[in-house]
Amino acid sequence: GQNIDQPTEMTATEGAIVQINCTYQTSGFNGLFWYQQHAGEAPTFLSYNVLDGLEEKGRFSSFLSRSKGYSYLLLKELQMKDSASYLCAVSSFSGGYNKLIFGAGTRLAVHP
Amino acid sequence: VTQNPRYLITVTGKKLTVTCSQNMNHEYMSWYRQDPGMGLRLIHYSVGAGITDQGEVPNGYNVSRLKKQNFLLGLESAAPSQTSVYFCASSHSAGAQGNQPQHFGDGTRLSIL
Repeated sequence: GQNIDQPTEMTATEGAIVQINCTYQTSGFNGLFWYQQHAGEAPTFLSYNVLDGLEEKGRFSSFLSRSKGYSYLLLKELQMKDSASYLCAVSSFSGGYNKLIFGAGTRLAVHP
Repeated sequence: VTQNPRYLITVTGKKLTVTCSQNMNHEYMSWYRQDPGMGLRLIHYSVGAGITDQGEVPNGYNVSRLKKQNFLLGLESAAPSQTSVYFCASSHSAGAQGNQPQHFGDGTRLSIL
């Protein structure tokens, strides 16, 4: 079967760094996505990793280790607007197509 | 990606349809439901006009994709357990070579009494 785990909630201070972890078990792994979702809004794309290593994009970085079934999203210089849910999603390839399976999401609260 | 309606309150047993359209010429479209503590769960998806398949939680739902730009979600007989927020999403492709990020609609908040 497929399983994706991430912490339910995290808190951090404005200006700090926070790391949100995601572990997964899946067949036909074909990449891992991170999405951001503000309350009452649609998810928006943050990052995509398919090879091992770190991908950096401004204040956000995402890391993947396929052998360990592990990824993390690193947020630097936290701002109040970063308070949101962060969704880890694994792309599973089967039957000729990719399907995206989401974790339950991590709700991040940034405090002054 | 545009969903309609954005909000809907109805009663048990009603038949209803939620529409989704995209103007990005995307091949791949999907429907998710999002419930507290459970994240987004895939209901049905489509890899092209006339081609649909089941996701994680297909029971109680049907879909239709007659045209590439539209993907309809139907509930034949609405049940309180289907009260949720529904998101439509689309991406350029879903094949092995093209793992593209999905673009989400703003969601449809459905309450079934």
